[in-house]
Amino acid sequence: EPEVTQTPSHQVTQMGQEVILRCVPISNHLYFYWYRQILGQKVEFLVSFYNNEISEKSEIFDDQFSVERPDGSNFTLKIRSTKLEDSAMYFCASLPGRREQYFGPGTRLTVT
Amino acid sequence: AQKVTQAQTEISVVEKEDVTLDCVYETRDTTYYLFWYKQPPSGELVFLIRRNSFDEQNEISGRYSWNFQKSTSSFNFTITASQVVDSAVYFCAQLTGETSGSRLTFGEGTQLTVNP
Repeated sequence: EPEVTQTPSHQVTQMGQEVILRCVPISNHLYFYWYRQILGQKVEFLVSFYNNEISEKSEIFDDQFSVERPDGSNFTLKIRSTKLEDSAMYFCASLPGRREQYFGPGTRLTVT
Repeated sequence: AQKVTQAQTEISVVEKEDVTLDCVYETRDTTYYLFWYKQPPSGELVFLIRRNSFDEQNEISGRYSWNFQKSTSSFNFTITASQVVDSAVYFCAQLTGETSGSRLTFGEGTQLTVNP
């Protein structure tokens, strides 16, 4: 069964550095998402992406964040200048339509 | 605005006990979807079930069952004869609207610990 994949599984970075989290959604899916989960807290929506553009973003998704689908398969989340509070698990999700969102295994980002 | 409430932060049971995880949702939409996800200690989100707002039939899958009641805006999850492997955080979530890119709104999660 096709799966959403994410790399890396764990990223450690220093405050102020740029990070790029990568996701490969399921190939025939149309909608792509990033969610964030700070340790011990609930999963929070960051951004959705459809037809090569952002369709919705949350208040968390400020100018430090950007998303891209550079080559038609990868879906990336960039954080330009990381802060300590960006430390979290980041989940990518995709869906073919209005069905359950297929989540990737997550990338644990640690900002030191 | 959508909101999902899981009032039980932590539940601890002994193996073979039945346990019910509560979920209450809020929405003004007539079309919406409700979900349960399991998050084991390894951290991934495991899809368990999806229900749409037009289907109030309860569902049973092995030891798992779900009770969807629109009258009380609840979508509760019961594990029968719990096992240690059921220990995880369980999230209830809601997806609303027909627009593309609609987001999932998650509850705070319930940490279930099943003791041997």
